[in-house]
Amino acid sequence: NAGVTQTPKFQVLKTGQSMTLQCAQDMNHEYMSWYRQDPGMGLRLIHYSVGAGITDQGEVPNGYNVSRSTTEDFPLRLLSAAPSQTSVYFCASSSPGQGRYEQYFGPGTRLTVT
Amino acid sequence: GIQVEQSPPDLILQEGANSTLRCNFSDSVNNLQWFHQNPWGQLINLFYIPSGTKQNGRLSATTVATERYSLLYISSSQTTDSGVYFCAVVPGSARQLTFGSGTQLTVLP
Repeated sequence: NAGVTQTPKFQVLKTGQSMTLQCAQDMNHEYMSWYRQDPGMGLRLIHYSVGAGITDQGEVPNGYNVSRSTTEDFPLRLLSAAPSQTSVYFCASSSPGQGRYEQYFGPGTRLTVT
Repeated sequence: GIQVEQSPPDLILQEGANSTLRCNFSDSVNNLQWFHQNPWGQLINLFYIPSGTKQNGRLSATTVATERYSLLYISSSQTTDSGVYFCAVVPGSARQLTFGSGTQLTVLP
């Protein structure tokens, strides 16, 4: 298993540009999430999904859009990039079997908006 | 929402020393995980431990859910243990993790 994969690893955008961060998992997990990590801080939840076709907002959803058309993929779209979105983005997946919500994280995408 | 507090925020050790990291949380939880974020930014799962005690080599963790805290023990620390240690919880009514602000560990040779 590759686990949770993310592309690209690094990205530089200009203010106002849009882009999509890709996330895929091959563990057949129902739950997938996007987090952002700012310098010196823990991770904060942006959006999450409990299954294909179902998404919901997390703590910091503004400026981001998600959709979940398959179990495997959960892309994160930046609609109009702003310098405040400079961060490291992590995707995670989990399966709630037997009440466990153990999450597995991808390697991250480091995004800089100039 | 739930509050997750980690202490100490920073810790500097000599190689070979032992340490204890603490995580306090303000409400009941379904899940508690400890992660190590290495200097390259990768998040490594250390323990899934909503209650009880687990050990993995030089690392062990204990969660006392009724008293709302968890402890991570690192024995005989090595320079490769350096990085940030995060505690993260899933509150009782939620399905996603809430992270603490982390403990920055530096192990000196």
